[in-house]
Amino acid sequence: RKEVEQDPGPFNVPEGATVAFNCTYSNSASQSFFWYRQDCRKEPKLLMSVYSSGNEDGRFTAQLNRASQYISLLIRDSKLSDSATYLCVVRGGFQKLVFGTGTRLLVSP
Amino acid sequence: DGGITQSPKYLFRKEGQNVTLSCEQNLNHDAMYWYRQDPGQGLRLIYYSQIVNDFQKGDIAEGYSVSREKKESFPLTVTSAQKNPTAFYLCASSMGRENQPQHFGDGTRLSIL
Repeated sequence: RKEVEQDPGPFNVPEGATVAFNCTYSNSASQSFFWYRQDCRKEPKLLMSVYSSGNEDGRFTAQLNRASQYISLLIRDSKLSDSATYLCVVRGGFQKLVFGTGTRLLVSP
Repeated sequence: DGGITQSPKYLFRKEGQNVTLSCEQNLNHDAMYWYRQDPGQGLRLIYYSQIVNDFQKGDIAEGYSVSREKKESFPLTVTSAQKNPTAFYLCASSMGRENQPQHFGDGTRLSIL
Protein backbone atom coordinates (compact mmCIF):
# COMPACT_ATOMS: atom_id res chain seq x y z
CA ARG A 1 0.00 0.00 0.00
CA LYS A 2 1.33 3.47 -0.85
CA GLU A 3 2.02 5.81 2.07
CA VAL A 4 -0.18 8.50 0.55
CA GLU A 5 -2.89 7.73 -2.00
CA GLN A 6 -4.91 10.07 -4.16
CA ASP A 7 -7.37 9.62 -7.00
CA PRO A 8 -5.43 10.89 -10.03
CA GLY A 9 -8.59 12.23 -11.73
CA PRO A 10 -9.00 14.27 -13.79
CA PHE A 11 -11.97 15.87 -12.14
CA ASN A 12 -13.79 17.89 -14.80
CA VAL A 13 -16.09 20.53 -13.31
CA PRO A 14 -17.80 23.67 -14.63
CA GLU A 15 -17.00 27.10 -13.27
CA GLY A 16 -18.86 27.77 -10.05
CA ALA A 17 -19.06 24.13 -9.03
CA THR A 18 -17.99 22.70 -5.70
CA VAL A 19 -15.46 19.88 -5.86
CA ALA A 20 -13.84 17.74 -3.17
CA PHE A 21 -10.74 15.57 -3.15
CA ASN A 22 -9.79 12.96 -0.60
CA CYS A 23 -6.40 11.57 0.26
CA THR A 24 -5.64 8.57 2.46
CA TYR A 25 -2.41 7.95 4.38
CA SER A 26 -1.08 4.76 5.88
CA ASN A 27 1.13 5.96 8.76
CA SER A 28 -1.09 6.52 11.79
CA ALA A 29 1.78 8.37 13.49
CA SER A 30 1.74 11.15 10.88
CA GLN A 31 1.67 14.56 12.52
CA SER A 32 1.46 17.24 9.85
CA PHE A 33 -0.60 17.49 6.71
CA PHE A 34 -0.59 19.88 3.79
CA TRP A 35 -2.20 20.52 0.42
CA TYR A 36 0.03 21.84 -2.34
CA ARG A 37 -0.99 23.02 -5.78
CA GLN A 38 1.15 22.27 -8.84
CA ASP A 39 0.61 23.83 -12.24
CA CYS A 40 1.82 22.04 -15.36
CA ARG A 41 5.64 21.97 -15.49
CA LYS A 42 5.93 24.22 -12.44
CA GLU A 43 7.01 23.74 -8.84
CA PRO A 44 4.51 22.79 -6.10
CA LYS A 45 3.20 25.72 -4.10
CA LEU A 46 1.75 25.48 -0.62
CA LEU A 47 -2.02 25.87 -0.70
CA MET A 48 -2.75 25.29 2.95
CA SER A 49 -1.79 23.36 6.04
CA VAL A 50 -4.43 21.00 7.44
CA TYR A 51 -5.25 21.30 11.12
CA SER A 52 -6.97 18.76 13.35
CA SER A 53 -10.05 20.91 13.77
CA GLY A 54 -10.31 21.64 10.05
CA ASN A 55 -9.53 24.99 8.52
CA GLU A 56 -10.74 27.31 5.82
CA ASP A 57 -8.98 29.79 3.56
CA GLY A 58 -11.41 31.67 1.35
CA ARG A 59 -13.00 29.17 -1.03
CA PHE A 60 -10.82 26.31 0.22
CA THR A 61 -11.62 24.07 3.20
CA ALA A 62 -9.37 21.32 4.51
CA GLN A 63 -10.41 18.56 6.89
CA LEU A 64 -8.50 15.85 8.73
CA ASN A 65 -9.99 12.56 9.87
CA ARG A 66 -7.40 10.79 12.00
CA ALA A 67 -9.63 7.80 12.80
CA SER A 68 -10.04 6.95 9.12
CA GLN A 69 -6.64 8.36 8.14
CA TYR A 70 -7.70 10.69 5.40
CA ILE A 71 -7.61 14.37 4.62
CA SER A 72 -9.87 16.24 2.27
CA LEU A 73 -9.87 19.45 0.28
CA LEU A 74 -13.09 21.20 -0.70
CA ILE A 75 -13.09 23.96 -3.30
CA ARG A 76 -16.21 26.09 -3.57
CA ASP A 77 -17.19 28.31 -6.50
CA SER A 78 -14.47 26.86 -8.76
CA LYS A 79 -12.59 29.29 -11.00
CA LEU A 80 -10.82 28.57 -14.27
CA SER A 81 -7.59 29.45 -12.47
CA ASP A 82 -8.14 26.57 -10.03
CA SER A 83 -7.23 24.13 -12.81
CA ALA A 84 -4.10 22.41 -11.55
CA THR A 85 -2.88 19.26 -9.84
CA TYR A 86 -3.45 19.13 -6.09
CA LEU A 87 -0.87 17.26 -4.05
CA CYS A 88 -1.63 15.73 -0.68
CA VAL A 89 1.42 15.81 1.57
CA VAL A 90 1.93 14.03 4.88
CA ARG A 91 4.81 14.37 7.31
CA GLY A 92 5.99 11.06 8.67
CA GLY A 93 9.36 10.83 10.39
CA PHE A 94 11.38 13.90 11.32
CA GLN A 95 11.41 16.36 8.42
CA LYS A 96 10.36 13.76 5.89
CA LEU A 97 7.39 14.73 3.74
CA VAL A 98 5.62 12.08 1.68
CA PHE A 99 3.88 13.36 -1.44
CA GLY A 100 0.87 11.85 -3.14
CA THR A 101 0.91 11.64 -6.92
CA GLY A 102 -1.74 14.34 -7.13
CA THR A 103 -5.32 14.83 -8.26
CA ARG A 104 -5.82 16.76 -11.47
CA LEU A 105 -8.62 19.32 -11.60
CA LEU A 106 -9.92 20.84 -14.82
CA VAL A 107 -12.39 23.72 -14.51
CA SER A 108 -14.22 24.56 -17.72
CA PRO A 109 -16.19 27.68 -18.72
CA ASP B 1 12.65 39.29 -2.53
CA GLY B 2 13.08 36.23 -0.33
CA GLY B 3 13.00 32.91 -2.06
CA ILE B 4 14.68 29.83 -3.41
CA THR B 5 16.62 30.06 -6.65
CA GLN B 6 17.48 27.05 -8.75
CA SER B 7 19.72 27.11 -11.77
CA PRO B 8 19.84 26.34 -14.55
CA LYS B 9 16.21 25.91 -15.61
CA TYR B 10 17.19 23.38 -18.27
CA LEU B 11 20.25 21.15 -18.33
CA PHE B 12 21.49 18.52 -20.73
CA ARG B 13 23.87 15.77 -19.69
CA LYS B 14 26.11 13.72 -21.92
CA GLU B 15 26.79 10.07 -21.21
CA GLY B 16 29.40 9.62 -18.48
CA GLN B 17 29.23 13.24 -17.38
CA ASN B 18 28.62 14.63 -13.90
CA VAL B 19 26.43 17.72 -13.67
CA THR B 20 25.68 20.00 -10.74
CA LEU B 21 22.37 21.69 -10.03
CA SER B 22 22.43 24.85 -7.97
CA CYS B 23 20.02 25.73 -5.16
CA GLU B 24 20.31 28.96 -3.15
CA GLN B 25 17.90 30.32 -0.55
CA ASN B 26 17.77 33.65 1.27
CA LEU B 27 14.95 32.71 3.63
CA ASN B 28 17.33 31.89 6.49
CA HIS B 29 15.89 28.37 6.54
CA ASP B 30 17.84 25.69 8.36
CA ALA B 31 16.65 22.69 6.37
CA MET B 32 17.03 22.08 2.64
CA TYR B 33 15.90 19.21 0.43
CA TRP B 34 16.27 17.78 -3.05
CA TYR B 35 13.43 15.94 -4.78
CA ARG B 36 13.02 14.29 -8.11
CA GLN B 37 9.69 14.22 -9.98
CA ASP B 38 8.96 11.83 -12.83
CA PRO B 39 5.77 11.93 -14.92
CA GLY B 40 2.85 10.31 -13.10
CA GLN B 41 4.82 9.92 -9.89
CA GLY B 42 4.94 11.84 -6.67
CA LEU B 43 8.02 13.72 -5.54
CA ARG B 44 10.76 11.43 -4.24
CA LEU B 45 13.34 12.60 -1.72
CA ILE B 46 16.97 12.38 -2.85
CA TYR B 47 18.89 14.08 -0.02
CA TYR B 48 18.15 16.48 2.80
CA SER B 49 20.14 18.63 5.17
CA GLN B 50 19.00 19.94 8.53
CA ILE B 51 22.08 22.01 9.34
CA VAL B 52 25.28 23.19 7.71
CA ASN B 53 27.90 20.48 7.11
CA ASP B 54 25.38 17.71 7.66
CA PHE B 55 23.12 15.87 5.22
CA GLN B 56 21.20 12.62 5.04
CA LYS B 57 20.23 10.25 2.25
CA GLY B 58 16.64 10.20 1.20
CA ASP B 59 14.78 7.41 -0.55
CA ILE B 60 16.65 7.49 -3.86
CA ALA B 61 20.18 8.79 -3.10
CA GLU B 62 22.09 6.38 -5.34
CA GLY B 63 23.88 8.17 -8.16
CA TYR B 64 23.62 11.59 -6.49
CA SER B 65 25.80 13.61 -4.13
CA VAL B 66 25.33 16.86 -2.20
CA SER B 67 27.21 19.29 0.00
CA ARG B 68 26.08 21.86 2.57
CA GLU B 69 29.02 24.17 3.20
CA LYS B 70 26.82 27.25 3.65
CA LYS B 71 23.37 27.67 5.10
CA GLU B 72 22.14 29.32 1.91
CA SER B 73 23.39 26.73 -0.56
CA PHE B 74 22.67 23.04 -1.20
CA PRO B 75 24.01 21.95 -4.61
CA LEU B 76 23.13 18.55 -6.06
CA THR B 77 25.51 16.62 -8.32
CA VAL B 78 24.02 14.04 -10.64
CA THR B 79 26.84 11.59 -11.26
CA SER B 80 27.41 9.26 -14.18
CA ALA B 81 26.32 6.42 -11.88
CA GLN B 82 22.73 7.69 -12.10
CA LYS B 83 21.56 5.76 -15.15
CA ASN B 84 18.17 7.38 -15.54
CA PRO B 85 18.70 11.05 -14.68
CA THR B 86 16.03 12.56 -16.91
CA ALA B 87 13.56 14.20 -14.53
CA PHE B 88 12.35 17.44 -12.98
CA TYR B 89 14.54 18.28 -9.96
CA LEU B 90 13.10 20.39 -7.18
CA CYS B 91 14.91 22.00 -4.28
CA ALA B 92 13.00 22.98 -1.16
CA SER B 93 13.70 24.58 2.20
CA SER B 94 11.93 24.91 5.52
CA MET B 95 12.44 26.35 8.98
CA GLY B 96 13.27 22.84 10.14
CA ARG B 97 10.58 22.70 12.79
CA GLU B 98 8.17 19.78 12.91
CA ASN B 99 5.01 21.42 11.58
CA GLN B 100 6.56 23.80 9.08
CA PRO B 101 5.84 23.28 5.37
CA GLN B 102 8.51 23.26 2.71
CA HIS B 103 8.81 25.89 0.01
CA PHE B 104 10.11 25.06 -3.42
CA GLY B 105 12.35 26.61 -6.03
CA ASP B 106 11.09 26.62 -9.61
CA GLY B 107 13.00 23.50 -10.59
CA THR B 108 15.59 22.26 -13.06
CA ARG B 109 14.71 19.97 -15.97
CA LEU B 110 17.53 17.57 -16.71
CA SER B 111 17.68 15.57 -19.93
CA ILE B 112 20.15 13.15 -21.48
CA LEU B 113 21.79 14.14 -24.76
